[in-house]
Amino acid sequence: AQSVSQHNHHVILSEAASLELGCNYSYGGTVNLFWYVQYPGQHLQLLLKYFSGDPLVKGIKGFEAEFIKSKFSFNLRKPSVQWSDTAEYFCAVNPTSGTYKYIFGTGTRLKVLA
Amino acid sequence: EAQVTQNPRYLITVTGKKLTVTCSQNMNHEYMSWYRQDPGLGLRQIYYSMNVEVTDKGDVPEGYKVSRKEKRNFPLILESPSPNQTSLYFCASSLRRRESTEAFFGQGTRLTVV
Repeated sequence: AQSVSQHNHHVILSEAASLELGCNYSYGGTVNLFWYVQYPGQHLQLLLKYFSGDPLVKGIKGFEAEFIKSKFSFNLRKPSVQWSDTAEYFCAVNPTSGTYKYIFGTGTRLKVLA
Repeated sequence: EAQVTQNPRYLITVTGKKLTVTCSQNMNHEYMSWYRQDPGLGLRQIYYSMNVEVTDKGDVPEGYKVSRKEKRNFPLILESPSPNQTSLYFCASSLRRRESTEAFFGQGTRLTVV
């Protein structure tokens, strides 16, 4: 069955620390990959996406992610987090054929201490 | 402004009283879907629609109905709500093209069933 795993459920960091959130998926075909962010009390917003080409993609607010096809991974990184990055982060995959159904991970809650 | 609009944002209702949560998008997207978000479970898809008059069950469809009579609207209907449907609900829409499947989310509807 198709699934997305986010291994870190809760992460606490101090400001300026580096961040890496893991995401692995299981799907045999071609997928689009996304990271969404949900700030407290708000809806999900797109952070970055990968469709094809350069496997290192850059998103908003200094975030980036690397697609490693052989590992079925799409890890999110940021060199130096800020207090305002406190949010929940969701990895999602979307097959490029068939139902185009989104499959979300269970999310990672990030708390950045000022 | 491109957006997905959900109403209401907050709703408290009693067990068994039918309710409808509306969702409307102004981006001419073919694909629309409903999710519920529960702590520790991430987003789970309830129903989706690939176009007008085409709907299908997601992962947790029990107790919900949907309809897609127009491209822009995708209401979620709870015929007889129960307390286990207390949750945060999100509507989302996207195109069904390989390189344009970014999902746009509504602001969410927080439903409490007592």
